[in-house]
Order: sequence, then structure tokens, then C-alpha cells
Amino acid sequence: GQNIDQPTEMTATEGAIVQINCTYQTSGFNGLFWYQQHAGEAPTFLSYNVLDGLEEKGRFSSFLSRSKGYSYLLLKELQMKDSASYLCAFLDSNYQLIWGAGTKLIIKP
Amino acid sequence: DADVTQTPRNRITKTGKRIMLECSQTKGHDRMYWYRQDPGLGLRLIYYSFDVKDINKGEISDGYSVSRQAQAKFSLSLESAIPNQTALYFCATSEGESTQPQHFGDGTRLSIL
Repeated sequence: GQNIDQPTEMTATEGAIVQINCTYQTSGFNGLFWYQQHAGEAPTFLSYNVLDGLEEKGRFSSFLSRSKGYSYLLLKELQMKDSASYLCAFLDSNYQLIWGAGTKLIIKP
Repeated sequence: DADVTQTPRNRITKTGKRIMLECSQTKGHDRMYWYRQDPGLGLRLIYYSFDVKDINKGEISDGYSVSRQAQAKFSLSLESAIPNQTALYFCATSEGESTQPQHFGDGTRLSIL
């Protein structure tokens, strides 16, 4: 079967760095997405990784290890506006998106 | 103006009623999707459409139907609403490859009493 897992909730301090992990199991893999979703709002696209390694976009970076079935989203210089849920989702062998339940990130001053 | 517009934004209705949620987009994307989101669960795909004549069931299509009236419009119907269909519903669009990101509307919060 296939599944995807990420922590339910994390807390971090303004100005710090936080890493949100996502693990998945699947027989076929065609890439992994990260989305940000503020409470009551639409998810918005952050990143897509299909090759192993780290991709950086400003304060946000996303890492993928296909052999380990593992990805993380790294947020640097945290700001209060980064308080949101972060959703990971992978494309399976049929190019269907399988979504995680999301990680709620709480930023404290 | 929003690129992906959902109407209504909020709806409260009674068990057994027929409900239609509408989605329109100005992005020119061929692919459109309907999801529901429940607390503690990931987004779950209800139906998707890759072009006007293409309709596909998702993970949880029972109790729902859709209509793709035009490239820009994709509506979701609940034929006879039941309380466990209370959820936040999202419409999304994407370009013609699955590796392209999806763009979401602002959601419809549906409560069925």
C-alpha cells in the first residue's frame, strides 16, 4: 500500500529555524509537493521535488531523499506570518496526488 | 480578482437537500479538481476533470456528482446531503501535467444539519 506521514503540530520561535518532516511509502513515485495553508484559507504551492537533494527558495528550502522515502521543508528566519499548516503530497505511479494530513506550525514571539 | 473562484463561500443546509457548489477559473487551465478537507485528515479527492469531456472519480466520489460545463467551470453537486458531508470543499486547477502545481480556490464551508 501507500501512505504518507507528517507530524500533527510543531512549535517554533520567531527568528529561528524549523524543519518539518514528511515520510512516505509507495511502490511508484513521481515527485513530492509542499503547500502552505493559513487557517481557513486555500493551500498555496511552495515547492516540488522529483530529484534527490535540496532546493532553496528564499527563506524556504525543500529536501528529498527518494531512497529513504523522506522529505523535509526547512523554514529559516521564522516570521509570525509563517504560522500555518504545511501539507506534503506525493505523486504516485499513476500520477495521483496522495496528501498528508498537514503539520500545524505555531510561531511564538 | 481571484483566479479560481468558488461560490458560495459558506452554506448551511438541511439533511436531504440538493446542493451545488460552483467553481470558475480564469487561469486557462484544462485540469480541474474537487477536494474536501476535514480536521485531522488530508485533502481527499472527490472528482477530477482533465478537459471538458473528461470526468473521473476520485477517492471519495460516493454521494457526489460533477459537471464540467466549460473549460472554465466545474460544479460539484450533493444530490441528497447528509451530515457527514459537512466539510470544507476546495476546487483546484492545474496545467496539463500532473507535475504542475495545483491552484486552489478559497473554499466553501458547508454545514449540513
